[in-house]
Amino acid sequence: ETGVTQTPRHLVMGMTNKKSLKCEQHLGHNAMYWYKQSAKKPLELMFVYNFKEQTENNSVPSRFSPECPNSSHLFLHLHTLQPEDSALYLCASSRGGSSGVNEQYFGPGTRLTVT
Amino acid sequence: GQNIDQPTEMTATEGAIVQINCTYQTSGFNGLFWYQQHAGEAPTFLSYNVLDGLEEKGRFSSFLSRSKGYSYLLLKELQMKDSASYLCAVTDSNYQLIWGAGTKLIIKP
Repeated sequence: ETGVTQTPRHLVMGMTNKKSLKCEQHLGHNAMYWYKQSAKKPLELMFVYNFKEQTENNSVPSRFSPECPNSSHLFLHLHTLQPEDSALYLCASSRGGSSGVNEQYFGPGTRLTVT
Repeated sequence: GQNIDQPTEMTATEGAIVQINCTYQTSGFNGLFWYQQHAGEAPTFLSYNVLDGLEEKGRFSSFLSRSKGYSYLLLKELQMKDSASYLCAVTDSNYQLIWGAGTKLIIKP
């Protein structure tokens, strides 16, 4: 248990569906992240929020839409996805800021399958 | 471009020692992390190096040479539960984490 929870753990959706992934951290952190993890590839950073402000969007397609209502919660809204979007989606949090050790704590991930 | 290289897969024997290497080319350097990820689980933090040298933490040690752009993770007295993927990640000049693809470590009895 890392203090970061994600729901759902597994999701199967069609290409025309709309769904949302939820992440919650109980660590008092100020930064939250969405990553995509595909088999045998490096973790791909999608979005970063620092103190509820989006500070990074790594050229992610608009069919992925993040939302960060407060420093403890992070959502990823999904619509009209493609089969190649099937992957493990990981949420992480960290203390935030740019000094010192700033290790990230990960949630268990949502295994997404797009049919 | 920014790049992290580590072997795709390694095999070792229970009770032995294994060294997992990581080389990096990044725009700036503000520290290197090692994470462990068991199949189907979240990555968990193992170690952090920002200065050259060896950091020891129980059975695991991590080494850094900034001049060579090189790090290794050393695992001693291997146990079956050490079978996992080990991810190397470097913090660049913008304090963004650049991730390697991970090394899958298989432990055999």
